[in-house]
Amino acid sequence: GQSLEQPSEVTAVEGAIVQINCTYQTSGFYGLSWYQQHDGGAPTFLSYNGLDGLEETGRFSSFLSRSDSYGYLLLQELQMKDSASYFCAVAYNFNKFYFGSGTKLNVKP
Amino acid sequence: GAVVSQHPSWVICKSGTSVKIECRSLDFQATTMFWYRQFPKQSLMLMATSNEGSKATYEQGVEKDKFLINHASLTLSTLTVTSAHPEDSSFYICSASRVSGGAYNEQFFGPGTRLTVL
Repeated sequence: GQSLEQPSEVTAVEGAIVQINCTYQTSGFYGLSWYQQHDGGAPTFLSYNGLDGLEETGRFSSFLSRSDSYGYLLLQELQMKDSASYFCAVAYNFNKFYFGSGTKLNVKP
Repeated sequence: GAVVSQHPSWVICKSGTSVKIECRSLDFQATTMFWYRQFPKQSLMLMATSNEGSKATYEQGVEKDKFLINHASLTLSTLTVTSAHPEDSSFYICSASRVSGGAYNEQFFGPGTRLTVL
């Protein structure tokens, strides 16, 4: 089976940097994705790591270490609009994902 | 590109009725579509995977006779919640995947359908 652990809630101030960690256990592994979800909305894709290392997309970066079964999402220059839930999701099959329980990020002024 | 729509965006129905939710990939052909449900402040739980022209594959614990999935074309999948009960009230989200040039199928999510069963 699959299991994912990520913090339930993180609080940071505008302009700061925050890191959301995700550790996983899975019977198959193709990659780790990160999604953002605002209250009442659908998840939107942020990033995907299939190989070890850092992927950077603007203010967001994601890191993966397959040997440690660990990844993180790094958000820089936090803005109020970044307040949302962030889910890591492991691709345990070619096209199937198992989602973590989500981390609620609160950005304060 | 890669837009997925869902209809309706919300629905309220009486207990015992059936509700159909449509998921469409608007600008690409989806190799596979997925149906998730999400309870408030919880994660997305995969319900089933559907491929065009074949039977859906349901995750463990999901009643296939209650949640009927039809994948009529490469751009349309429907989920019918049959004989809905209040415990079926949830946020139902579909996603559509397409090959992303590697060993990975990128998924694009629809806006979700909020179902409330009275």
